[in-house]
Amino acid sequence: SQKIEQNSEALNIQEGKTATLTCNYTNYSPAYLQWYRQDPGRGPVFLLLIRENEKEKRKERLKVTFDTTLKQSLFHITASQPADSATYLCALPISSGSARQLTFGSGTQLTVLP
Amino acid sequence: DTGVSQNPRHKITKRGQNVTFRCDPISEHNRLYWYRQTLGQGPEFLTYFQNEAQLEKSRLLSDRFSAERPKGSFSTLEIQRTEQGDSAMYLCASSPNQQGAGGYTFGSGTRLTVV
Repeated sequence: SQKIEQNSEALNIQEGKTATLTCNYTNYSPAYLQWYRQDPGRGPVFLLLIRENEKEKRKERLKVTFDTTLKQSLFHITASQPADSATYLCALPISSGSARQLTFGSGTQLTVLP
Repeated sequence: DTGVSQNPRHKITKRGQNVTFRCDPISEHNRLYWYRQTLGQGPEFLTYFQNEAQLEKSRLLSDRFSAERPKGSFSTLEIQRTEQGDSAMYLCASSPNQQGAGGYTFGSGTRLTVV
């Protein structure tokens, strides 16, 4: 069956360091992968989309890589700040019935310590 | 446009009662999605509309759940004969017809507690 796995434990890092979050998937070859941020009690907020033919994408302090051979995406936050503390979700379009629906991992809770 | 709006934000109901949630998507977005999220899990797909047509329903969606998008604008999600297992955050999202470089825009959700 198709599965998405993110860092299973919460991640704590010191302010100013680089946070690296992992998203692994099995039994699927997605055309793209997305990353979202979710704060407590709020809906996810879209951050970045990376396509299968892109190795890396950047947006301000965010960097995403996509290795279709390893079936893995890495999400980096450089110069992390306490305001970056949140849960980060990866999502892939996975076939469900007649359509491909965006399917989410369970998320990694990141805490940036001052 | 203020984004995706969901009402109510919170709903507490007794087991066996019916509840209805509303979602107002971004007006230019043709596609509307309902997801359910429980604590410590990612959002789980429930159903999807393109304009007024409901094109996909999750196999996990029981017959007690029904969704509508009558004029291709706002949508409602109804749960009949609620059970304690229905307690969750119900999220609505919308997106343009073409995926482009963007993702889904989510609302803040409706938190349902069944007592």
